[in-house]
Amino acid sequence: AQTVTQSQPEMSVQEAETVTLSCTYDTSESNYYLFWYKQPPSRQMILVIRQEAYKQQNATENRFSVNFQKAAKSFSLKISDSQLGDTAMYFCAFIFTENSGAGSYQLTFGKGTKLSVIP
Amino acid sequence: NAGVTQTPKFQVLKTGQSMTLQCAQDMNHNSMYWYRQDPGMGLRLIYYSASEGTTDKGEVPNGYNVSRLNKREFSLRLESAAPSQTSVYFCASRKGMAGLQPQHFGDGTRLSIL
Repeated sequence: AQTVTQSQPEMSVQEAETVTLSCTYDTSESNYYLFWYKQPPSRQMILVIRQEAYKQQNATENRFSVNFQKAAKSFSLKISDSQLGDTAMYFCAFIFTENSGAGSYQLTFGKGTKLSVIP
Repeated sequence: NAGVTQTPKFQVLKTGQSMTLQCAQDMNHNSMYWYRQDPGMGLRLIYYSASEGTTDKGEVPNGYNVSRLNKREFSLRLESAAPSQTSVYFCASRKGMAGLQPQHFGDGTRLSIL
């Protein structure tokens, strides 16, 4: 069975600094899809960044970037120039095609990392 | 641009009562999902509908039923609520079959069962 592990339940960072959130996973598949979602106190689930496993180049979206190491099964999120609005729970999530019976493309989530940005 | 709309946003039930959570999307998406989120956990899939007219079980389906009423609407029903079903429920939708397409989430329903 595929598993997703976020080993840091809570983290904090000073405003304007850089922080990296870790995520590891276990799968025997060769292609899958990787996502980071942000959940602020408002409870919305907001897509931050996404990557397809067969693509070597790491995805970047403005201040957010990933470090995807396929052999190590690691998919970390780097937030540069942290802002107060980045305070949220962050979830890594995967679409593993083995879990996608009948074309579900369902997401498998980690347990999340609570990030606090300190003024 | 409403996206995914869930109703109600909050609800308190007594054990044994029944309830239906409503979800509608206006993005013409094919796939729809129901997740639950418990403290210290990520979201876990309850049921999904890959396309209009189909539904299937996810990771934690016991105690729930779903109906894909049409392409827009996907409801979740608790027939006899139990305290273990106290949770935040999220509905999501997704356009098509390409893996990288993201799921779009509603704002969630906080359900408490006494």
